[in-house]
Amino acid sequence: SQTIHQWPATLVQPVGSPLSLECTVEGTSNPNLYWYRQAAGRGLQLLFYSVGIGQISSEVPQNLSASRPQDRQFILSSKKLLLSDSGFYLCAWTTSGGPYTDTQYFGPGTRLTVL
Amino acid sequence: AQSVAQPEDQVNVAEGNPLTVKCTYSVSGNPYLFWYVQYPNRGLQFLLKYITGDNLVKGSYGFEAEFNKSQTSFHLKKPSALVSDSALYFCAVSPLSGGYQKVTFGTGTKLQVIP
Repeated sequence: SQTIHQWPATLVQPVGSPLSLECTVEGTSNPNLYWYRQAAGRGLQLLFYSVGIGQISSEVPQNLSASRPQDRQFILSSKKLLLSDSGFYLCAWTTSGGPYTDTQYFGPGTRLTVL
Repeated sequence: AQSVAQPEDQVNVAEGNPLTVKCTYSVSGNPYLFWYVQYPNRGLQFLLKYITGDNLVKGSYGFEAEFNKSQTSFHLKKPSALVSDSALYFCAVSPLSGGYQKVTFGTGTKLQVIP
């Protein structure tokens, strides 16, 4: 069966420090991968998605970047964190292919607090 | 552009009573509709989806949803609420067509089941 991991689970970082959040998927090949941010425990904002290694699409201009160095690994990064980067970061995957594969499976999330 | 509206920020229901969480959508063409549930400090979990066919879709944990094309709605229902159903519920929509399709999430409805 497929599983998705995220780490760390929680993170407290000072303003201006770098960030690296990691997401890995097991049990599937060539997944579509997504990074979301959830602010104040509510709406989801799609940050990045990837349909393959090295292929990243950004949905919102911001202080963050994403990379996909391996098929089942998705990394969210920042060079200098801002207070507004605080939130709950969720990674998700879908199987690649046609429209009948768009059920998203979410990881457990990373709670980021920027002080 | 596609959109999802969840008009109720919070729904309160007594344990054992039926529950409804409302969702309306806007999308070009036919929709691909989802419901997800989120427990505190967790990722979203898939509940059910509608692609085509029967307008009443059955999902996990006794939940079901009714697709109404004329009203562009996809309300989530359960005949008898449990305290353990208390969580945040998200409706989502994607256009039903070929290739990669971005999913748009609603802002969420908090369901509180009162013992």
